[in-house]
Amino acid sequence: DAGVTQSPTHLIKTRGQQVTLRCSPKSGHDTVSWYQQALGQGPQFIFQYYEEEERQRGNFPDRFSGHQFPNYSSELNVNALLLGDSALYLCASSSYRDNQETQYFGPGTRLLVL
Amino acid sequence: AQSVTQPDIHITVSEGASLELRCNYSYGATPYLFWYVQSPGQGLQLLLKYFSGDTLVQGIKGFEAEFKRSQSSFNLRKPSVHWSDAAEYFCAVGARTNDYKLSFGAGTTVTVRA
Repeated sequence: DAGVTQSPTHLIKTRGQQVTLRCSPKSGHDTVSWYQQALGQGPQFIFQYYEEEERQRGNFPDRFSGHQFPNYSSELNVNALLLGDSALYLCASSSYRDNQETQYFGPGTRLLVL
Repeated sequence: AQSVTQPDIHITVSEGASLELRCNYSYGATPYLFWYVQSPGQGLQLLLKYFSGDTLVQGIKGFEAEFKRSQSSFNLRKPSVHWSDAAEYFCAVGARTNDYKLSFGAGTTVTVRA
């Protein structure tokens, strides 16, 4: 049973560029949440997707956007990258339909903005 | 708003000694509480969770945690630490009424000395 997968594992971008990160949820899960973890800090909630719609959003600017596909996989897009966007981006999946509260995390994508 | 405080930034413990990591949460309704562990450069692995019922919960790798509503705490313990327990530990709180969005503490780094 495959767990949560994320791609790419590492990424280097320059300020002003755009980036797309990808996540495939654990088998049987229908909900994907994205978190940003800056160095030395705990993860911060970005947003959550269910049934291809953004259901909840944390305190992040509109430069952060996402998408969920019919197969439940998800993308996180960040436009106009800033140096402060450098972080580990974590994807977590869960099953809202089955009322499962536990989120399972992927290995993350480490983004470096120069 | 939900929030988590982990008072200890860094703990050093000898191999074979006991370990206790503190976690205090703030949330108006009944919280769902989690402990995750993160090894360097890795994603988050779920150690244990509390939703309801018995306030002492057992997790993987010999960890346990006790929910104390009167103290708004959910401390993590392990009777005998192994060198492989060196990692960063995160306490998190979520709630059904908030679509299980997780709020994390800043984490506690555990160093194990021989």
